Amino acid sequence: DGGITQSPKYLFRKEGQNVTLSCEQNLNHDAMYWYRQDPGQGLRLIYYSQIVNDFQKGDIAEGYSVSREKKESFPLTVTSAQKNPTAFYLCASSFRTGASYEQYFGPGTRLTVT
Amino acid sequence: QQQVKQSPQSLIVQKGGISIINCAYENTAFDYFPWYQQFPGKGPALLIAIRPDVSEKKEGRFTISFNKSAKQFSLHIMDSQPGDSATYFCAASVTSGTYKYIFGTGTRLKVLA
Repeated sequence: DGGITQSPKYLFRKEGQNVTLSCEQNLNHDAMYWYRQDPGQGLRLIYYSQIVNDFQKGDIAEGYSVSREKKESFPLTVTSAQKNPTAFYLCASSFRTGASYEQYFGPGTRLTVT
Repeated sequence: QQQVKQSPQSLIVQKGGISIINCAYENTAFDYFPWYQQFPGKGPALLIAIRPDVSEKKEGRFTISFNKSAKQFSLHIMDSQPGDSATYFCAASVTSGTYKYIFGTGTRLKVLA
C-alpha cells in the first residue's frame, strides 16, 4: 500500500523540549516537503528536500531542522527555539522531474506544546 | 509576487447548489495550478489541477476555470453535497523550478443538507 506515513498522529511536549516528527514515503519520490498549518493561514513551507543529503529552507524555517539521509525519510525536528510550535504539521512528497507535479500529503501530526 | 490570494474565507451552500472558490496570482511564471480538498484532521488530497494552456478542466462535479490574462482561476463544485463540506486550498507552482507550491489561505465550505 503506497503512500506517506507520519507518526505519531498526536504529540504532546513540554516547552523547552526538542521533538522529532517522522515522515516516511514509499512512492519512490525524489522530493519531500514539510508544511505547517495554522487556522486561517493555509499551508506554510518549512523545509524541502529535492534529493538525498540536500535540503533548503522554506518560508518559516526558523526553529526547525531536518535531515534527509534516505530517500524514503525526511524527519523534522521542532527545536526549543521555535517560539510557537503548537500546530498541525504536514509532510508531502513529489517527483522532481517529469510530467507529474502532484504533491502527495501524509495524514499529519498535531503537535501541542504546553 | 509569490502570493496566491484565495476567496472567500468561508462559504455556505445549499445541497444541490454551486460552490465557487476563487484564486488570484501575480507571478506569471506559475504554470501549474492544483486544488486540494482537506477534511478535518486529515492531510490535503489533490482534487483537480490545470495547466495554463487550457481555460477549463472538468472532472465529475468539479471544474477549474482559468483566466490567464486576469491571472485568476476558480473551482466550481456543481450539485454540491454535504460530503463536499471540507476546506479547499488552491496552489500555484513553477514546474521548471523546485516544484514548490504556493498555497492560498483556504476556503471552508459547508454544504447544508
